[in-house]
Amino acid sequence: EAGVAQSPRYKIIEKRQSVAFWCNPISGHATLYWYQQILGQGPKLLIQFQNNGVVDDSQLPKDRFSAERLKGVDSTLKIQPAKLEDSAVYLCASRPSGRVDTQYFGPGTRLTVL
Amino acid sequence: DQQVKQNSPSLSVQEGRISILNCDYTNSMFDYFLWYKKYPAEGPTFLISISSIKDKNEDGRFTVFLNKSAKHLSLHIVPSQPGDSAVYFCAASGGSNYQLIWGAGTKLIIKP
Repeated sequence: EAGVAQSPRYKIIEKRQSVAFWCNPISGHATLYWYQQILGQGPKLLIQFQNNGVVDDSQLPKDRFSAERLKGVDSTLKIQPAKLEDSAVYLCASRPSGRVDTQYFGPGTRLTVL
Repeated sequence: DQQVKQNSPSLSVQEGRISILNCDYTNSMFDYFLWYKKYPAEGPTFLISISSIKDKNEDGRFTVFLNKSAKHLSLHIVPSQPGDSAVYFCAASGGSNYQLIWGAGTKLIIKP
């Protein structure tokens, strides 16, 4: 079974530029999460999708962050414009229906904003 | 407000000995607890979990203990092996969305 795929793995941009991250979850997983992990901290949930609908985006800074999940499969997270404090690893995870416990993570995208 | 706390940023243990990683939580509504392991440049991987109706769960070398009255859980690794060197995250879940609240992680170093 293929795991969660993310791209790019690394991205360096200037502040005020825009950037987009892509995630392909494990096939058949209805729930998809985007997390932000700042160095030395645990992952912080940004947004949760169930199929192609948003379950929770209460911690997504909507003035600069946006996310979508087309056709309930792939997802894209965008930052526009980026700030220095957005430097972090952005993790995508998916979870199969009926499982309350395990989330499966991709390798993450390390974003550096200069 | 940190609802899940891992107070030890790092822990060094001799190979073959027991590693004990600790985690405290504040929200009594949490009903499921998980440990994840993370290697550099990889995403976290699920290790072991425990429901709030249990006080112990074991899987091979890994055992998680839950003390609900103290709002404390711990992960025991016996015996510790070099491949166990990683960052370990404690996470808690409660509510219908099964969202996870994460601790800051503990870096475990196994010395040969």
